[in-house]
Amino acid sequence: DVVLTQSPLSLPVTLGQPASISCRSSQSLVYSDGNTYLHWFQQRPGQSPRRLIYKVSNRDSGVPDRFSGSGSGTDFTLKISSVEAEDVGIYYCMQGTHWPRAFGQGTKVEIK
Amino acid sequence: QVHLQQWGAGLLKPSETLSLTCAVYGGSFSGNSWAWIRQPPGKGLEWIAEISHSGYTNYNPSLKSRVAISVDTSKNQFSLKLTALTAADTAIYYCARVPFDYWSRGTLVTVSS
Repeated sequence: DVVLTQSPLSLPVTLGQPASISCRSSQSLVYSDGNTYLHWFQQRPGQSPRRLIYKVSNRDSGVPDRFSGSGSGTDFTLKISSVEAEDVGIYYCMQGTHWPRAFGQGTKVEIK
Repeated sequence: QVHLQQWGAGLLKPSETLSLTCAVYGGSFSGNSWAWIRQPPGKGLEWIAEISHSGYTNYNPSLKSRVAISVDTSKNQFSLKLTALTAADTAIYYCARVPFDYWSRGTLVTVSS
């Protein structure tokens, strides 16, 4: 099974400063169709997860452009260019290339 | 806009069977696949199962012997059954549209004697 390892697991950030979360996969996430099914989710306290980024770098509708995704193969990154108070929550990467699907452990973003 | 609404019992006893149903409003039901995900209190997300509109299924191997996912295209609904419950199955259960762009609010299922 694919294992996704996120780092850091806890990320205290000053408002207005950038933040970066890494997601590393135990196997390549490139599918036979050439796509890489690595997605990022945000889960605010008490809410359902919300998809932010799909297929590595595509922002979902309504997601602020301060969020960006990058990477390839086994190494991926979610960046927040300037953290705002509403960004507090837990961020998960998830792979949809291999069975079974898998999530990373989650990275908790909090304000310093 | 797609909306997922789920229902099912929230308090079950050990060895009982969990049964949840998710209704989909809006969008195309038959053109998509559907999934269940769970989250134990204070912990991370765990993918449980997926089903295509045609009934093709995939399960998490860690749960495969106890879980079944089904679909009713006539009602735009899909369902989850999980048997032989233990306290370790206590979690918020979510239904979602693949590729996980729409999620339900979730149901807390507590397994306790």
